[in-house]
Amino acid sequence: DAMVIQNPRYQVTQFGKPVTLSCSQTLNHNVMYWYQQKSSQAPKLLFHYYDKDFNNEADTPDNFQSRRPNTSFCFLDIRSPGLGDAAMYLCATSRDNAGRDQPQHFGDGTRLSIL
Amino acid sequence: RKEVEQDPGPFNVPEGATVAFNCTYSNSASQSFFWYRQDCRKEPKLLMSVYSSGNEDGRFTAQLNRASQYISLLIRDSKLSDSATYLCVVYDDYKLSFGAGTTVTVRA
Repeated sequence: DAMVIQNPRYQVTQFGKPVTLSCSQTLNHNVMYWYQQKSSQAPKLLFHYYDKDFNNEADTPDNFQSRRPNTSFCFLDIRSPGLGDAAMYLCATSRDNAGRDQPQHFGDGTRLSIL
Repeated sequence: RKEVEQDPGPFNVPEGATVAFNCTYSNSASQSFFWYRQDCRKEPKLLMSVYSSGNEDGRFTAQLNRASQYISLLIRDSKLSDSATYLCVVYDDYKLSFGAGTTVTVRA
């Protein structure tokens, strides 16, 4: 059974039209992460929540926001998507801060296309 | 300089062959190291952790060289199902830093 679930698998939006990507987890993990991965590139961490504490990466554009209303759910909001935001967006969780004994569990990802 | 760098490959090998590749990292204080596997258009999945003394998991052997700041992955007796992109991952403080991956293609 999937433990980190991302919806939808594929999302198409128009240039400049806000879009929200969803992630839920059944693992009751404290930490949830959002990554952006473009073709043939490494996943790039955008931000993460440790419980309710939000941690933004310094180079994450202001266009990207996140919400975590409860332990199970985390959302990625892109306020005004540009063509450069087309990518795979990966949600991951870990019980505690990622480390040797804290593997990250990834969802299947949402592939975002911008028209 | 990128935090984690990998030879993108691709490494094209016949079934049964041994293939090995490295990954370098820039932060000498990095604490933990992993290899993840990512299939085309799928999410990364943890393959194995890398321990200081080196470790094996079946046909996979991982090594860490702290002095030269690299880790390696060796795959013995390659199977068709080993075809994937292998991501080198380094843990610093609270986060994981991913390499862009090394693509391995095993042919029949």
